[in-house]
Amino acid sequence: AQSVAQPEDQVNVAEGNPLTVKCTYSVSGNPYLFWYVQYPNRGLQFLLKYITGDNLVKGSYGFEAEFNKSQTSFHLKKPSALVSDSALYFCAVRDRSNDYKLSFGAGTTVTVRA
Amino acid sequence: GAGVSQTPSNKVTEKGKYVELRCDPISGHTALYWYRQSLGQGPEFLIYFQGTGAADDSGLPNDRFFAVRPEGSVSTLKIQRTERGDSAVYLCASTPFSGSSDNEQFFGPGTRLTVL
Repeated sequence: AQSVAQPEDQVNVAEGNPLTVKCTYSVSGNPYLFWYVQYPNRGLQFLLKYITGDNLVKGSYGFEAEFNKSQTSFHLKKPSALVSDSALYFCAVRDRSNDYKLSFGAGTTVTVRA
Repeated sequence: GAGVSQTPSNKVTEKGKYVELRCDPISGHTALYWYRQSLGQGPEFLIYFQGTGAADDSGLPNDRFFAVRPEGSVSTLKIQRTERGDSAVYLCASTPFSGSSDNEQFFGPGTRLTVL
């Protein structure tokens, strides 16, 4: 079984401040981890993924995420948030034993105020 | 290049009616996935196609839901005798092939289904 928890429904930050969106996961084996962003009336856009190697993964639009196996976490971070980062963010996991089935968290709404 | 496209973008129907939702994956992508996203939730897996065949339909909620991909490209999700609880955004995604497990899935904009 595989699952994802995003403990915060909403995150509010001021523009220019650091942004963190939390994600913890549960899989029976080793995980592939993904972050997606969803803007209103748009599909999910891929931000970044952890497959193997360095625990710190860099992705699109200045986002990065750190894989922490001991804490089973994959938090998304951005050093300096922009108003345009305001969106709905989803963390997703896939156990390496399956090729395709993603399990998503419930999502975190990020609001960046000017 | 063109991304995943889905039609219609919005569909309003009455309880008990039949609906079809269409997905055009990225050209050349052999793997195709359907997800359902209910309000306030993350997407939930419905069905996965590798080529023309449904490799895993374990996420389909009941036998009112069916999906096809007859030529290994376009897919149609079919819902019979729609119920108000079927109201959701239906998302389609594709990947080049499923053999490389580190592929991210590319999502379409979704079809918002409203059952009155």
